[in-house]
Amino acid sequence: DGGITQSPKYLFRKEGQNVTLSCEQNLNHDAMYWYRQDPGQGLRLIYYSQIVNDFQKGDIAEGYSVSREKKESFPLTVTSAQKNPTAFYLCANRGYRQANNEKLFFGSGTQLSVL
Amino acid sequence: KQEVTQIPAALSVPEGENLVLNCSFTDSAIYNLQWFRQDPGKGLTSLLLIQSSQREQTSGRLNASLDKSSGRSTLYIAASQPGDSATYLCLNQGGSEKLVFGKGTKLTVNP
Repeated sequence: DGGITQSPKYLFRKEGQNVTLSCEQNLNHDAMYWYRQDPGQGLRLIYYSQIVNDFQKGDIAEGYSVSREKKESFPLTVTSAQKNPTAFYLCANRGYRQANNEKLFFGSGTQLSVL
Repeated sequence: KQEVTQIPAALSVPEGENLVLNCSFTDSAIYNLQWFRQDPGKGLTSLLLIQSSQREQTSGRLNASLDKSSGRSTLYIAASQPGDSATYLCLNQGGSEKLVFGKGTKLTVNP
């Protein structure tokens, strides 16, 4: 599973509240990704990071923020500006791309719901 | 912009049938082509990875092929079983670090 741990498995957010989803990896992989999945839909990219202290916006970054202070950790904050946060959130990681055999691995996901 | 299309969107077959899932992509730069399965409420599990220098990979009843010239990959499942029921997704790890998935094919294998 690429040694990725997502927590918590279920998370509830009150209106106006910021919440943070955790993603930790133990395989020293460079690249990490956050995806959002709505019921019956595909995965949409929120943010990604290739190295420590650097990250880029994906297709739906509005209302979300990330940090990459450590190689092992890539937390995602769902801010109060995200008006429709209910979804399944998936974190993924991958090693050095030019190795040409680097698989993308996923965590088990966090289901976020609004109270 | 990279686009990934998976056909069909849903497929229902009786147990024992052989079946083919299709994936096409617009990014001509291909590093790896990876197939995943996703069970409801779970993360994605990697099934097969085809390197850009390869044409196919096999694992048990699964065979994935890659045709770079046409920008297509197929996943062949032999002798399907109810436990194969899941959503299958493909990923072209192409010229961009911005990895984009297709919407997947939802497979139902009926006993």
